[in-house]
Amino acid sequence: DVKVTQSSRYLVKRTGEKVFLECVQDMDHENMFWYRQDPGLGLRLIYFSYDVKMKEKGDIPEGYSVSREKKERFSLILESASTNQTSMYLCASSSLAGAQSTQYFGPGTRLLVL
Amino acid sequence: AQSVTQLGSHVSVSEGALVLLRCNYSSSVPPYLFWYVQYPNQGLQLLLKYTSAATLVKGINGFEAEFKKSETSFHLTKPSAHMSDAAEYFCAVSDKSSYKLIFGSGTRLLVRP
Repeated sequence: DVKVTQSSRYLVKRTGEKVFLECVQDMDHENMFWYRQDPGLGLRLIYFSYDVKMKEKGDIPEGYSVSREKKERFSLILESASTNQTSMYLCASSSLAGAQSTQYFGPGTRLLVL
Repeated sequence: AQSVTQLGSHVSVSEGALVLLRCNYSSSVPPYLFWYVQYPNQGLQLLLKYTSAATLVKGINGFEAEFKKSETSFHLTKPSAHMSDAAEYFCAVSDKSSYKLIFGSGTRLLVRP
């Protein structure tokens, strides 16, 4: 079974703090994704990576950066957290099998910025 | 740009009743289409996907969906709802030239005893 794990289920941070969200997958997948999920908006893509050290902006990259130093690990960084970044963050991975490849999701990190 | 519309943010059915969750997409060419389910406090799990083979796609837990190009729809159905089906369901579309998924806003299914 594919397993995608995220470092925290719940996080509480203060405005202005630097926040790291970690994601690890164990299926040797090339592609990894970060989404945020908000009620009524579905999932929106923040960044994705198709290889180590490679990244591409998604639909809402502002205020976020990412790092992929190893194939299995993809980190999302909030350089200076703001209250409008309070959300559920989901990581996913998929193989390089084309656009029809299934994305496998982690359990999510619910972030509250005070 | 691709987009996905899910009609109804909440759908309520009785246990044993038909489940119908609606999804329409906009795309100039037939895309790949997915249905994902999210149980409370969990990530998303793939229910089924359409990749231009059979238009009627069967998934896990008794769900199926039919791709109708003329209606640009990919509605999800299940003949008989079970209490364990209560969850949020997301329809998603993928452009064949990209790895990105575009998600609908989700439909929360409530199952009444």
